[in-house]
Amino acid sequence: SQQGEEDPQALSIQEGENATMNCSYKTSINNLQWYRQNSGRGLVHLILIRSNEREKHSGRLRVTLDTSKKSSSLLITASRAADTASYFCATDLRGNQFYFGTGTSLTVIP
Amino acid sequence: NAGVTQTPKFRVLKTGQSMTLLCAQDMNHEYMYWYRQDPGMGLRLIHYSVGEGTTAKGEVPDGYNVSRLKKQNFLLGLESAAPSQTSVYFCASMDGLLGEQYFGPGTRLTVT
Repeated sequence: SQQGEEDPQALSIQEGENATMNCSYKTSINNLQWYRQNSGRGLVHLILIRSNEREKHSGRLRVTLDTSKKSSSLLITASRAADTASYFCATDLRGNQFYFGTGTSLTVIP
Repeated sequence: NAGVTQTPKFRVLKTGQSMTLLCAQDMNHEYMYWYRQDPGMGLRLIHYSVGEGTTAKGEVPDGYNVSRLKKQNFLLGLESAAPSQTSVYFCASMDGLLGEQYFGPGTRLTVT
């Protein structure tokens, strides 16, 4: 399967701390995306990084991509209780099929 | 602008029954997707469509059929439900290649 793998599976931090989660995948990709899922809800797109990009920022989010290691990381700075959610990476194989990882469950303690 | 909506939100089926899940989007997106989400498995692609009248198989298509007769609607059918199809089903749409997906709220299906 092309499915990515997130690491760690679960992460618990204090409010204000930074949270880092990683994603590894198996084959060459066109782009990699990160999504957030609050409990019982649909996924919400956070950020997309293309295969020719190495780093991208969006507000408190910073994503890096290392295609030589087939890995990506998502950094959330100055975390808030509202950031508590599951985070998934998604890779696209042919531009129209997406493969999601198993997710990192983030808990931010107020 | 409702985005992506799914009907129904919850359903309980008995083994062997059939049902259709409806996904509708009002963003004029070409691409639409059906995923299932099981505990510890992440999302897995069932079927997808790259435009009206087209469908294609994803990672786990067995036991499901789909139709995209209208651009805004993508239907997922279960002809003979099995307990292994107990899951949360998500629909998503996307406006083009290398774009972001917009997800519906999900349908929680239990097959007994």
